[in-house]
Amino acid sequence: DVKVTQSSRYLVKRTGEKVFLECVQDMDHENMFWYRQDPGLGLRLIYFSYDVKMKEKGDIPEGYSVSREKKERFSLILESASTNQTSMYLCASSILIIRDRGDYGYTFGSGTRLTVV
Amino acid sequence: DAKTTQPPSMDCAEGRAANLPCNHSTISGNEYVYWYRQIHSQGPQYIIHGLKNNETNEMASLIITEDRKSSTLILPHATLRDTAVYYCIVRVVFRYGQNFVFGPGTRLSVLP
Repeated sequence: DVKVTQSSRYLVKRTGEKVFLECVQDMDHENMFWYRQDPGLGLRLIYFSYDVKMKEKGDIPEGYSVSREKKERFSLILESASTNQTSMYLCASSILIIRDRGDYGYTFGSGTRLTVV
Repeated sequence: DAKTTQPPSMDCAEGRAANLPCNHSTISGNEYVYWYRQIHSQGPQYIIHGLKNNETNEMASLIITEDRKSSTLILPHATLRDTAVYYCIVRVVFRYGQNFVFGPGTRLSVLP
């Protein structure tokens, strides 16, 4: 069964800490995405990557950075965590659009619920 | 900004068909409509997608109007396990890939 795995289900961090959220996919997908989800706001795109070492800003990149050193792994980094970054973080992956027959679009992980205190 | 609008919530009786509407009046000719759902505390799950024609799979049917400005997701026999937030999404294709712009979705409650 294809999978997107997020390393932690729940995290509690202190304000000012550097936080790493890890995401691994086993589908050989080129595209990977990080979203955050907040009540009433739906899912908002933070960053995405279309290839190893490539990254693009999404709608709300401020306060975040990403790393994609290997195809299967996409990391989200909070350089200095703040309380307004308390949220559910969702990772997703998909194949390249040119190969996308539209069968399933994105595959999502189960999410990491981060609390910054 | 989300390119779709959906009602914030709907109720449906168990065993009946659930019809979830979506407006996407600014959709472009080559943009697909996707539907996902999210059950509490889980990641979104793919349901179905379409471009112009109506589509059906083991989970649902998707009816797209001829002008493509709106669509309806149909769950033919809703069960309690179908209670979830349903997202109607227009896939935006750009140079290096694609992006799904999620709106708040419709919270479907299936009632016994």
